Amino acid sequence: DIQMTQSPSSVSASLGDRVTITCRASQGVGSSLAWYQKKPGKAPNLLIYAASSLQSGVPSRFSGSGSGTDFTLTISSLQPEDFATYYCQQANSFPRTFGQGTNVEIK
Amino acid sequence: QVQLQESGPGLVKPSQTLSLTCTVSGDSIISGVYYWSWVRQHPGKGLEWIGYLFHSGSTYYNPSLRSRLTMSVDTSKNQFSLRLTSVTAADTAVYYCARYDTGGSVGAFDIWGQGTRVTVSS
Repeated sequence: DIQMTQSPSSVSASLGDRVTITCRASQGVGSSLAWYQKKPGKAPNLLIYAASSLQSGVPSRFSGSGSGTDFTLTISSLQPEDFATYYCQQANSFPRTFGQGTNVEIK
Repeated sequence: QVQLQESGPGLVKPSQTLSLTCTVSGDSIISGVYYWSWVRQHPGKGLEWIGYLFHSGSTYYNPSLRSRLTMSVDTSKNQFSLRLTSVTAADTAVYYCARYDTGGSVGAFDIWGQGTRVTVSS
């Protein structure tokens, strides 16, 4: 299985801050990587697919980059509704695997 | 718009079979290039892909669950289902059904159900 490792596990940030989350794959996944936002009691919400493509309806402050084994999700200016847990997911190999999550908290 | 809704018992006894159904509304389950999926989240943990299937019945399972897992589709009801046998407390989780897109949002779960909590306990 491809292991997906996110860092940091948790980040405290203030409104308006720029936040960057990293996801590293244990082997190359090309550009087959997605990012999700998850809030407690809610289903995950797709933010980014194919490493850098913004899902329809997702605010442009979210962006993704990377290829191979190293990927980043950036929130350019943190908004109140962005406090949540973020997961990466690889779509290159079976089984599909997710990172352990990064919790974005209010500072 | 397309919506997914999970249904099934919230409590299952150990060693019994967990059965869940996901009803798709707003589009036909046989349209597009979508795989119909199950993902779970253990309490306080991350997300785990269980498996997915195509409307033709082709299935792809997580090897960690393959020996206990069966997924099926009922195109007449626009539903797909999960059966997990011999459950233990380790199967206690919130189970989500989701649409996996191999077209537009390539390689991503783009639409999710609200999730259903399943507890395995006697």
